[in-house]
Amino acid sequence: EAGVAQSPRYKIIEKRQSVAFWCNPISGHATLYWYQQILGQGPKLLIQFQNNGVVDDSQLPKDRFSAERLKGVDSTLKIQPAKLEDSAVYLCASSRRVGAYEQYFGPGTRLTVT
Amino acid sequence: QQQVKQSPQSLIVQKGGIPIINCAYENTAFDYFPWYQQFPGKGPALLIAIRPDVSEKKEGRFTISFNKSAKQFSLHIMDSQPGDSATYFCAASIESSGSRLTFGEGTQLTVNP
Repeated sequence: EAGVAQSPRYKIIEKRQSVAFWCNPISGHATLYWYQQILGQGPKLLIQFQNNGVVDDSQLPKDRFSAERLKGVDSTLKIQPAKLEDSAVYLCASSRRVGAYEQYFGPGTRLTVT
Repeated sequence: QQQVKQSPQSLIVQKGGIPIINCAYENTAFDYFPWYQQFPGKGPALLIAIRPDVSEKKEGRFTISFNKSAKQFSLHIMDSQPGDSATYFCAASIESSGSRLTFGEGTQLTVNP
């Protein structure tokens, strides 16, 4: 089966600009996750969707970050306006359902904010 | 209480050696403990996982040892190869909380030929 797809792979923006990332999960996977991985650290969950509903967004900085999952399939994560500390790799993952332990990760989008 | 602490930060071994990576947790509600392997430019990939009702699990050259009373678990890589050079992350999750993963800080493993 095809893996989790993400685009773009790399993005460089200036602070205070906006940026959007796209994720297409594995077909049939109901649960989708966005993680932020700062260089040298483990991934940190930003938001979790079950179909097109939010399960957990407790660690999402809602003043600048937003995410949606259209029709329970693809998802976009947006940052507006970006700060220097947002420089990181943004990983998308999916699993068959909430409570399914195995998560499959995409290759990530490396964001550099200058 | 949601933290997972991982050590060492980096590790260098010779081919054939047995690197050991350790993790400790505080939250006794965690009920699933996976290890992920990440190569540069790639997303993490599930390597092996264990539940707290088991003290050891082996899959090929990879073994997880789990000590529930000490709230610690570790990854052992038998007969390590240069191709095992990667960053390894331990993680923990709770099924009732939607299985969100809490990751350790990562260990960068280098296996020299």
